[in-house]
Amino acid sequence: AQTVTQSQPEMSVQEAETVTLSCTYDTSENNYYLFWYKQPPSRQMILVIRQEAYKQQNATENRFSVNFQKAAKSFSLKISDSQLGDTAMYFCAFPSVTGANSKLTFGKGITLSVRP
Amino acid sequence: NAGVTQTPKFQVLKTGQSMTLQCAQDMNHEYMSWYRQDPGMGLRLIHYSVGAGITDQGEVPNGYNVSRSTTEDFPLRLLSAAPSQTSVYFCASSFLRQGSGANVLTFGAGSRLTVL
Repeated sequence: AQTVTQSQPEMSVQEAETVTLSCTYDTSENNYYLFWYKQPPSRQMILVIRQEAYKQQNATENRFSVNFQKAAKSFSLKISDSQLGDTAMYFCAFPSVTGANSKLTFGKGITLSVRP
Repeated sequence: NAGVTQTPKFQVLKTGQSMTLQCAQDMNHEYMSWYRQDPGMGLRLIHYSVGAGITDQGEVPNGYNVSRSTTEDFPLRLLSAAPSQTSVYFCASSFLRQGSGANVLTFGAGSRLTVL
């Protein structure tokens, strides 16, 4: 079974600083997508960033970027210039089944607190 | 666009009661799914559907039924509620085809269910 592991349950960062959230996964596939979702206190699940495994370049969306290490099966999320609005739970996700990129398995999540 | 609409947002049930969580999307997505979110467990897939008339089980299907009579609607039924089904439930949908817009899940706002 393909698994997603987020080993840090909680993290805290000072406003304006940088924080990295870790995620590892296990797969025997070669082409797939990886996702980070954010869940603020409002409970809404929001896509933060998506990485396609066959692309060498790490994905970037404004202050959010990934460090994708395919050989190590690692997919960490870096948040630069942290803002109070970044306080949320963050989930990494990965397709459960080969070719079924919609059927995602989620990690257990990391609660990120941004301190003023 | 309304996106993914879930109702109700909150529900309290007694053990043994039945209820249906409604999910509707207006994006013509082929794929629809239900997840439950429990503390420390992340999101776990209950059931999913890749099109009208087609449903399949996810990771935690016991105690839940689904049907997909139309592309737009994917209700989740609890036939005899149990306290273990106390959770937050999310409906999510996406396209299935390949391409840059494929496979990104759009989530509903969630439904908090308490079973006493």
